[in-house]
Formats: sequence, C-alpha cells, structure tokens
Amino acid sequence: EAQVTQNPRYLITVTGKKLTVTCSQNMNHEYMSWYRQDPGLGLRQIYYSMNVEVTDKGDVPEGYKVSRKEKRNFPLILESPSPNQTSLYFCASSHKTGTPVRGTGELFFGEGSRLTVL
Amino acid sequence: AQSVAQPEDQVNVAEGNPLTVKCTYSVSGNPYLFWYVQYPNRGLQFLLKYITGDNLVKGSYGFEAEFNKSQTSFHLKKPSALVSDSALYFCAVSNRAGTASKLTFGTGTRLQVTL
Repeated sequence: EAQVTQNPRYLITVTGKKLTVTCSQNMNHEYMSWYRQDPGLGLRQIYYSMNVEVTDKGDVPEGYKVSRKEKRNFPLILESPSPNQTSLYFCASSHKTGTPVRGTGELFFGEGSRLTVL
Repeated sequence: AQSVAQPEDQVNVAEGNPLTVKCTYSVSGNPYLFWYVQYPNRGLQFLLKYITGDNLVKGSYGFEAEFNKSQTSFHLKKPSALVSDSALYFCAVSNRAGTASKLTFGTGTRLQVTL
C-alpha cells in the first residue's frame, strides 16, 4: 500500500531534549516536505527536499533541521525543542514531476505527529 | 507573496442540501489551485485541482470547484451534502512561475453536515 509513515504519532517531551520525527514513503517520490498545523494558522511549510541531499527552507524553518540521505526518508530534527514548537506535524511527498506546480499536483500526507513540548 | 483566504471558520449544512466552501487567493501570475480534505486524526487528502482549461473542476467524492479569475476565487461545491463529508477543508495555491515547492495553504474551513 502506498503510504507516508510518520513516527511517533504522539510525543510529549521537555524543553531542550533533542528529538527526531521520522518520515518514510514507499512511493519512490523525489519531493518531500514537512508542515506544521496550528489552529487559526493552517499548514505552514517548515522544510522541503527536491531530492536526495537537496533540502531548502520553507516558511517557518527556525528551530528545525532536516536531512535527506536516502530517497525514502526525510526526518525532522528538533535540536532543542521549545514550547512554541508544540504542534501537529505532517510529512508529505510527491513525484518531482508531480510537485504542487508541475504534474498531478497531488501531495501524499502522513497521518501526523502530535508533539507537545513542556 | 502569495496567499489564500478561507473566510469561514465553519460551514454548517443539512444533509442533502448543497454546500459551498469559499476560497479566495492572491498570487502573481497564473495560479495553480487545490483543495485538500482532512478527516479527524488523519493526514490531508487531495480532492481536486485547477491548473488550466475548464473553470469547473470535478474531483473526488462528488466535489467540484469553480475557478473565477476575475474574483480570484476557487470555491468548493457539492450538490448534495452527506454527513460523511464533515471534515476540515483546505484550499491551497501555487504560482506556476515560482518554485515547484511553494504551496501556500489557507487556514482551513470546518464543514459540519447534520441530519
């Protein structure tokens, strides 16, 4: 089954304790992206990757890091989490030719990771 | 900068009635427009898109959307609502002249369909 898998789905942590949210897709997609969803703000892009070893900042990259060492994986790293990073996080992927502008435009989303930073 | 406005936080409609979820956008150049739906505790799912051509776009689950360039709108519609349509709906826009990765989402509209 084609899917984007995120882990953990739920996490409560404390300020300053490094954490990683993993994202893996099995559709051989070149493009992957991380979003955070906050009430009243919709989805905001954190980082994206057009292919292996190619990453770039989205609208709200502060406090986050990413890496793309393999095509299927795109982990989101919070080096020193703070309470303002409490949010619902989504990973998404698509084919490069199917990125939001070109091709089908269909993004495939994971189920989300709800993170609480105390 | 591109932007999307979804002026209604919530839309309430009775089952069997037509529904409209509003979306207006701002982007330089021609727009790529999308609707996504989010069911409780799930990720977003693609519903439909407008790239070019016919202003009336048909998508999944009987939804359609009408592109209106003069009003910069892309309202989502369905002739007859179902209780199972209750969900959070997001409109999104991209600029075909911009980078492929730049998709801007609206704040979402919660659709509540009641019996």
